[in-house]
Amino acid sequence: AQSVSQHNHHVILSEAASLELGCNYSYGGTVNLFWYVQYPGQHLQLLLKYFSGDPLVKGIKGFEAEFIKSKFSFNLRKPSVQWSDTAEYFCAVNAKGGGADGLTFGKGTHLIIQP
Amino acid sequence: AAGVIQSPRHLIKEKRETATLKCYPIPRHDTVYWYQQGPGQDPQFLISFYEKMQSDKGSIPDRFSAQQFSDYHSELNMSSLELGDSALYFCASSPSRTYEQYFGPGTRLTVT
Repeated sequence: AQSVSQHNHHVILSEAASLELGCNYSYGGTVNLFWYVQYPGQHLQLLLKYFSGDPLVKGIKGFEAEFIKSKFSFNLRKPSVQWSDTAEYFCAVNAKGGGADGLTFGKGTHLIIQP
Repeated sequence: AAGVIQSPRHLIKEKRETATLKCYPIPRHDTVYWYQQGPGQDPQFLISFYEKMQSDKGSIPDRFSAQQFSDYHSELNMSSLELGDSALYFCASSPSRTYEQYFGPGTRLTVT
């Protein structure tokens, strides 16, 4: 079974600061990787995904993530955060091949951006 | 763009009662997933369906059952409710077993 570890549970940054949220996964096979964002009181929205190909993927709202296979990592980055980025961020993984496999989520990172 | 629809959005039940949650996937999506998110927790995968057949199973209690119907909507049936079942229940859908899951707004179930 796969597992996902997010290193930072709470992160507080000032506006315009750079962001990097860590995510490591544990799984012996090939995986699909995702970052989801959950704004207060809202549902999960897909930020970006990695299935194959270029390990640097760009998502919505200026976010990007880099897949490093040797480190089993998929860290999320944003060069300059905004107050509106305050939210909960979840890294998720599922095994490639099943197609309808459920996602395994990390515990989430609560990001607070101070104006 | 059309999104995943879940009903009801809020539900209050007493212990030992039953509850039915409904999920209507995005049009032309034939795969549905159910997740449970407790307060301050990450979403936990419960079960998924592809073309009306159960596809993957996670940590779904035996008291819960689910099915997908011919129009691809899905229902999660929960019996003998316990206080610990209080949570946000998300449904997600994806097109033809691709891996990208789109989440609905969730049903907040409170068991008293």
